[in-house]
Amino acid sequence: DGGITQSPKYLFRKEGQNVTLSCEQNLNHDAMYWYRQDPGQGLRLIYYSQIVNDFQKGDIAEGYSVSREKKESFPLTVTSAQKNPTAFYLCASSTPGQGRYSPLHFGNGTRLTVT
Amino acid sequence: DQQVKQNSPSLSVQEGRISILNCDYTNSMFDYFLWYKKYPAEGPTFLISISSIKDKNEDGRFTVFLNKSAKHLSLHIVPSQPGDSAVYFCAASARTSYDKVIFGPGTSLSVIP
Repeated sequence: DGGITQSPKYLFRKEGQNVTLSCEQNLNHDAMYWYRQDPGQGLRLIYYSQIVNDFQKGDIAEGYSVSREKKESFPLTVTSAQKNPTAFYLCASSTPGQGRYSPLHFGNGTRLTVT
Repeated sequence: DQQVKQNSPSLSVQEGRISILNCDYTNSMFDYFLWYKKYPAEGPTFLISISSIKDKNEDGRFTVFLNKSAKHLSLHIVPSQPGDSAVYFCAASARTSYDKVIFGPGTSLSVIP
């Protein structure tokens, strides 16, 4: 089955520690995205990548870093510089090359709790 | 400053009746609009979309209406079913940056049997 796998589903970290969230897709999609969901605020874009070895900042990139070394993988690192890291993180992918607009396919998310 | 607004955080509807979810946007550059549905602890799934060249798009029980002059769109679900109970996100994209999709805060729909 094609899809997006995010792991782990729940993640707990101490304040001051960096943590990396995994996102893997086998949909052969070119573009991948990281969103953050907070209550009452919808989904906000952190980073996105349209092609391997290239990525752009979204609206709330501060305190986060990403890499795109492989088409299938787009890991997100939440650094200690992120002031409010506790949130639900969603990874998505799409195929913009097949048309101007392509709906996003989402993983099931990782809930990160930092104490 | 929210570019996509969903002013009703929640909505309750009887099974079999119509559910109407509303969305307003402020950016006149948006030319493509989408609705996503999300169950708890899962990622959103794409439901239906509409281009700004249309004012209506229908897919089974789901219809999206777009009023460009009012910068307003709505999702109609007829008839509503208990399985429709979920959070619905309105989203928008602009031709100048189609890979950046802006989401609204969501409306939680409860369909009561």
